[in-house]
Amino acid sequence: EAHLVESGGGLVQPGGSLRLSCAASGFDFNRFAMSWVRQAPGKGLEWVSSISARGGGTDYADSVQGRFTISRDNSKNAVYLQMKSLRADDTALYYCAKYNLGDEGGDAFNIWGQGTMVTVSS
Amino acid sequence: SYVLTQPPSVSVAPGQTAKITCGGNNLGSYSVHWYQQKPGQAPVLVISDDSTRASGIPKRFSGSYSGSTATLTISRVEAGDEADYYCQVWVGGGVFGGGTKLTVL
Repeated sequence: EAHLVESGGGLVQPGGSLRLSCAASGFDFNRFAMSWVRQAPGKGLEWVSSISARGGGTDYADSVQGRFTISRDNSKNAVYLQMKSLRADDTALYYCAKYNLGDEGGDAFNIWGQGTMVTVSS
Repeated sequence: SYVLTQPPSVSVAPGQTAKITCGGNNLGSYSVHWYQQKPGQAPVLVISDDSTRASGIPKRFSGSYSGSTATLTISRVEAGDEADYYCQVWVGGGVFGGGTKLTVL
């Protein structure tokens, strides 16, 4: 059974950095693109970033472009989100999500982790 | 940036049919996906590519499209269907609708 577990969240001051990790299991990790999706407290879902199956292609929401970097290590079945210059409006629960069918654009997210909370506050 | 519009809330009695809409400019050009999120839980894929039910999702859930509006229909609504529902497309990146809270009366 496919499973995703996020870690690395916590309390960080504005302007600080944090690195989130997502450990994947139960599926052929290097066949699937992956994404990060966040949800601010009491708010809706917001797509943050995606990375292709082999890591050669990445994409970012305008709100995080230039501050966040997504990466993956297929030898470790892991995807990461390096976050810099954090702001109060980055406060959210960050979910790792797996593409449904593989590496195609336009795909749905069929597996989600339970999320890791990031709080940006002084 | 692209916007998906959902009604903030929909209410329905048990056993009735709930329809949750999702509107967007030229929406028919994109595949629409639907997610269910219950309080304190991660989202769950319900419908992909407009009308394909995800694995393990009851047949009571269906997706359709007409004009510039996609619709998630839940037949014979049960108390356990009470949740937030989000539509999603890919237009210059991932885009989610604002979400619809389904209340079972």
